[in-house]
Amino acid sequence: GESVGLHLPTLSVQEGDNSIINCAYSNSASDYFIWYKQESGKGPQFIIDIRSNMDKRQGQRVTVLLNKTVKHLSLQIAATQPGDSAVYFCAENIKEYGNKLVFGAGTILRVKS
Amino acid sequence: GAVVSQHPSWVICKSGTSVKIECRSLDFQATTMFWYRQFPKQSLMLMATSNEGSKATYEQGVEKDKFLINHASLTLSTLTVTSAHPEDSSFYICSARDPQANEKLFFGSGTQLSVL
Repeated sequence: GESVGLHLPTLSVQEGDNSIINCAYSNSASDYFIWYKQESGKGPQFIIDIRSNMDKRQGQRVTVLLNKTVKHLSLQIAATQPGDSAVYFCAENIKEYGNKLVFGAGTILRVKS
Repeated sequence: GAVVSQHPSWVICKSGTSVKIECRSLDFQATTMFWYRQFPKQSLMLMATSNEGSKATYEQGVEKDKFLINHASLTLSTLTVTSAHPEDSSFYICSARDPQANEKLFFGSGTQLSVL
């Protein structure tokens, strides 16, 4: 497969602080990016997406930033809560490969109360 | 959002047996579904793209004779792990594109396969 199978880094934050999770994507032809949250033993849950013609998109408590120059995505979570503890994955839609969604390595977010 | 149902959520089987996992789109028709596998503390790895009415497209390194995919209808894709071995133990996740939701991808809840 094309996905990266690396062991996941961990980000620990204090409850109430803002979290920033970063992701580097691989293909400059990718046109659509999504952030997913995955809790233990469950499938990925959609958080927020962004198209390649945008550089920022805001949702409720979350913001995604896209820097196409350096192929970098970030997810910002405001006022992080214990329920935000999970693994976060970015994913890129690669059109030239038939619209496949390829996942990044992921980050474990741990929220300390 | 759209709902994708995956069944079973967990299965334990003996080495050498085959296991079938079902993925259903409950409230939309999905011409394309995807199958992923995930090992503990790792990312999701795309195994294959399942196309309704045609053969699946497998990723490099994924054995098509071992992981049989059937997408016989617009709401159902199945993954059969044939002659399962302990190294096939993993978390398998399906997803489906909703053409009415700007082609957004929705995921099933996953199937934990343990091969003894």
